[in-house]
Amino acid sequence: DAKTTQPTSMDCAEGRAANLPCNHSTISGNEYVYWYRQIHSQGPQYIIHGLKNNETNEMASLIITEDRKSSTLILPHATLRDTAVYYCIVSGPPNAGNMLTFGGGTRLMVKP
Amino acid sequence: NAGVTQTPKFRVLKTGQSMTLLCAQDMNHEYMYWYRQDPGMGLRLIHYSVGEGTTAKGEVPDGYNVSRLKKQNFLLGLESAAPSQTSVYFCASRGLRRITGELFFGEGSRLTVL
Repeated sequence: DAKTTQPTSMDCAEGRAANLPCNHSTISGNEYVYWYRQIHSQGPQYIIHGLKNNETNEMASLIITEDRKSSTLILPHATLRDTAVYYCIVSGPPNAGNMLTFGGGTRLMVKP
Repeated sequence: NAGVTQTPKFRVLKTGQSMTLLCAQDMNHEYMYWYRQDPGMGLRLIHYSVGEGTTAKGEVPDGYNVSRLKKQNFLLGLESAAPSQTSVYFCASRGLRRITGELFFGEGSRLTVL
């Protein structure tokens, strides 16, 4: 699986958009980008995933660059409950049962 | 719908003791995983299973054994616990027919080895 690079920590004001970057310059053609988050000491929670097109769901938007070497997770209106560690992961197709390797992630602090 | 359930949630062991962590999922998922998370670190994959009766090594398998005798259960065993195995252990499962392929995690099992 390709390696990812994320900033260690970020701050965001409550109500503003949180933009979390991820670099995955060695991603291969059939690898997807997945985002998970971990709130405090709970188990990680799935947020979104994508291959090459931008994706949006009720939680977030995922913007993948045209060369697929980087992506950005966008939380459009961050709330205090979005304070968590966000993991960007690159792995095989969703139905292939590939391992998901979690790196250090980005610790997002949403401030009032 | 309980999802993924881990037992026990907390355990304290002495060095050299053995124990088994149980993970049970009620979603008929094919894939199951055991991760460990040390303080301030990301999750590291210990072992995983792609189906009943099959297991495979992850990133950090040494000192652990696993078994998947039933599709819904994935057991993680420590034969001779060491202080370096003090960690929070997370189990996860994944169904092949879900569009997202998302992992569903349990609440974690906090293990301390003295």
